[in-house]
Amino acid sequence: DIQMTQSPSSLSASVGDRVTITCRASQSIASHLNWYQQKPGKAPKLLIYAASSLQSGVPSRFSGSESGTDFTLTISSLQPEDFATYYCQQTYSTIITFGQGTRLEIK
Amino acid sequence: EVQLVESGGGLVQPGRSLRLSCTASGFTFGDYFINWVRQAPGKGLEWVGFIRGTAYGGTTEYAASVNGRFTISRDDSKSIAYLQMNSLKTEDTAMYYCTRQGSSGYPYFDYWGQGTLVTVSS
Repeated sequence: DIQMTQSPSSLSASVGDRVTITCRASQSIASHLNWYQQKPGKAPKLLIYAASSLQSGVPSRFSGSESGTDFTLTISSLQPEDFATYYCQQTYSTIITFGQGTRLEIK
Repeated sequence: EVQLVESGGGLVQPGRSLRLSCTASGFTFGDYFINWVRQAPGKGLEWVGFIRGTAYGGTTEYAASVNGRFTISRDDSKSIAYLQMNSLKTEDTAMYYCTRQGSSGYPYFDYWGQGTLVTVSS
């Protein structure tokens, strides 16, 4: 199975900060990388698909990029509603895998 | 409006069975792959499996942790997907979500249900 390693596992930041979360795949996944946001007690929400495409309705402060097997989710200016847990997901393989999650907390 | 609604969760003893349902509306159900994802209390997301759309034969794939115990099926006439869970273990305790798999050539889960909680305990 393809392993997805997210870093950091947790992060403290302030409103207005620029934040970066990284996900590394154990092998090439050719842009088949998605990012989700999950708030407590809620289902995950799709933010970014195909590594860098913004899902409809998602604010433009969210962006994704890739470099080889490394993928990055960037939030350009944190808003209060962005404090949540973020997951990456690869869909290159028929056996789909998620990263372990990054909890973004208020500093 | 696209909606997915899970049902059928509850408390079940180890070794027993349970069937979850995912009732969809707002889209042509048979055209889409449906995935099941679970989340143990306080833990991360774990993909369980999917069923392909009608055009792809409705075949299935599963995570190793559930392969041979869980079965996904679908009834396109009712817009419902099922997750049949047999030989349940305490480690299957989780919130179970069904998701619609969208694709622009790159698969992603664009709609999720609210989840149904399964607790496996004696």
